[in-house]
Amino acid sequence: NAGVTQTPKFRILKIGQSMTLQCTQDMNHNYMYWYRQDPGMGLKLIYYSVGAGITDKGEVPNGYNVSRSTTEDFPLRLELAAPSQTSVYFCASSPGTGFSYEQYFGPGTRLTVT
Amino acid sequence: DQQVKQNSPSLSVQEGRISILNCDYTNSMFDYFLWYKKYPAEGPTFLISISSIKDKNEDGRFTVFLNKSAKHLSLHIVPSQPGDSAVYFCAASLTGNQFYFGTGTSLTVIP
Repeated sequence: NAGVTQTPKFRILKIGQSMTLQCTQDMNHNYMYWYRQDPGMGLKLIYYSVGAGITDKGEVPNGYNVSRSTTEDFPLRLELAAPSQTSVYFCASSPGTGFSYEQYFGPGTRLTVT
Repeated sequence: DQQVKQNSPSLSVQEGRISILNCDYTNSMFDYFLWYKKYPAEGPTFLISISSIKDKNEDGRFTVFLNKSAKHLSLHIVPSQPGDSAVYFCAASLTGNQFYFGTGTSLTVIP
């Protein structure tokens, strides 16, 4: 099993550009999450999904969009990139409530907006 | 508004000794707590968890203690090993859907 994979690993965007961060898991987990980690800070939840077709906002959703058309994939869309979105982005998955709250994380995408 | 706080950014411990990492939270309704370990340029990896109905959970060298009245949890690593050197995050959840992470404590185990 590959676990949680994220692409790309690194990306530099210009202000105003858009991009999609890809996330795929092969563990058949119902729950998936997107976090961002700024330097010296903890992880902040952007969006999460409890199953295909269901998404909900986390702590810091502004400037981002998500979709969940399949169990495996949970892409994060940045529209009109801003310097404040410079961060490391982590995708995670979890079996979900009733099974385990343990989250499995991908290796992260380091995004710079200049 | 940081709901989960790790007030020690760093900790150094001699190999073989006990490492104690602390975490405080503000929301008394949190009902599940986890510790993650993170190496540079990697995603966090799950270490150990505890639900609010317990006050202690052990897994090998790792023990998590929960003091609900003080809204405090701690992670004990005994004995500490050089491979334990990493950043440790605590996280708390209210519903199992949303998780709030602390800012992390960087542990260095000195051989």
